Amino acid sequence: DAMVIQNPRYQVTQFGKPVTLSCSQTLNHNVMYWYQQKSSQAPKLLFHYYDKDFNNEADTPDNFQSRRPNTSFCFLDIRSPGLGDAAMYLCATSRGGEGAYQPQHFGDGTRLSIL
Amino acid sequence: GNSVTQMEGPVTLSEEAFLTINCTYTATGYPSLFWYVQYPGEGLQLLLKATKADDKGSNKGFEATYRKETTSFHLEKGSVQVSDSAVYFCALKAAGNKLTFGGGTRVLVKP
Repeated sequence: DAMVIQNPRYQVTQFGKPVTLSCSQTLNHNVMYWYQQKSSQAPKLLFHYYDKDFNNEADTPDNFQSRRPNTSFCFLDIRSPGLGDAAMYLCATSRGGEGAYQPQHFGDGTRLSIL
Repeated sequence: GNSVTQMEGPVTLSEEAFLTINCTYTATGYPSLFWYVQYPGEGLQLLLKATKADDKGSNKGFEATYRKETTSFHLEKGSVQVSDSAVYFCALKAAGNKLTFGGGTRVLVKP
């Protein structure tokens, strides 16, 4: 059974048209992450939520934002997608706190294409 | 800072061959170490992990041993199958919640 679920699997949007990717989890993990991955490169962390606390990576463009309305759901918003934002977007979860050495669990990703 | 270095691919093997993917790391403190596998078009799946020195992680015929003296966590499998064709990522997690990934190694197993 899928534990980290990303929808949709494939998303096509137009240049400059806002798009939202969604992630849900059934693991009740308190940390949720968003990664960008291009061409089988290593995933690049964009930001993560520790409970309700948002932690942005220093080099994440302002164009990328996130929302976490509750423990189970997290959204990635791209305000004005450019051609360079075409990529696979991966959501992951983990236990925080004493579970700092716990692994991250990944969803299957959303592949975003920009027309 | 923390870093992970793994051998560049692609690695091309015949079925039933022995696979080794080298991984070395630099980290402060005592990190946990992980291998993730990514099949085409999918997300990352945890393959195995080790949380302290000399621990051996194993899963699906893959093994890796946490070697603190050589700061390594090499992945091995004695007899690969075509279905093992994927990209493999070595990663570490030190204090905090972030994973540090290696660059990934693509493995192609031919029948």
